[in-house]
Amino acid sequence: GAVVSQHPSRVICKSGTSVKIECRSLDFQATTMFWYRQFPKQSLMLMATSNEGSKATYEQGVEKDKFLINHASLTLSTLTVTSAHPEDSSFYICSAAGSPSNQPQHFGDGTRLSIL
Amino acid sequence: AQKITQTQPGMFVQEKEAVTLDCTYDTSDQSYGLFWYKQPSSGEMIFLIYQGSYDEQNATEGRYSLNFQKARKSANLVISASQLGDSAMYFCAMTLNQAGTALIFGKGTTLSVSS
Repeated sequence: GAVVSQHPSRVICKSGTSVKIECRSLDFQATTMFWYRQFPKQSLMLMATSNEGSKATYEQGVEKDKFLINHASLTLSTLTVTSAHPEDSSFYICSAAGSPSNQPQHFGDGTRLSIL
Repeated sequence: AQKITQTQPGMFVQEKEAVTLDCTYDTSDQSYGLFWYKQPSSGEMIFLIYQGSYDEQNATEGRYSLNFQKARKSANLVISASQLGDSAMYFCAMTLNQAGTALIFGKGTTLSVSS
């Protein structure tokens, strides 16, 4: 089946560091990728929609300058958390959609980000 | 805007019993898809079952079935013969049948299966 690879799976770093998370679709072309954030025991909250070759669309309340998204190819989207602070600590997970749009979106395994 | 409601924060069931996880949704669109995902403590999202808004029959996948009641806007997940490995968080989600639309998730239900 379709696979989405996300790495790193876990990051622990100091406050002020920028962290890049990669999301790759391994066996299909993902015209659209999505980035979610999840706090412990809570739901997945959509942060942004990333379309190949264009600017990402951010959800209300998500700082585009804090969470930089790049979708340079049909198989790779990256999320960079810039100047991370402890409140950015969370579980970040990506998903990729091929076509048709009603097929299940495939998720990466997520990245646990801990900012000290 | 679409909305998913899961009213059961936690459910407890014994092995081999069936359990129903509730999900209601709200949308003004006619063409949409409903999904259930399982998230174990390790964090990965495991796709379980899908129901299209125009599908007349309830979806089934092994021990999972989706009780789709369109008029009530409900899409409950039924797990038959629960197993210890079913203990996890379960999310109901929906998306519109349009290219590039994201999944919108409910708050989730934590299922605990005991022996």
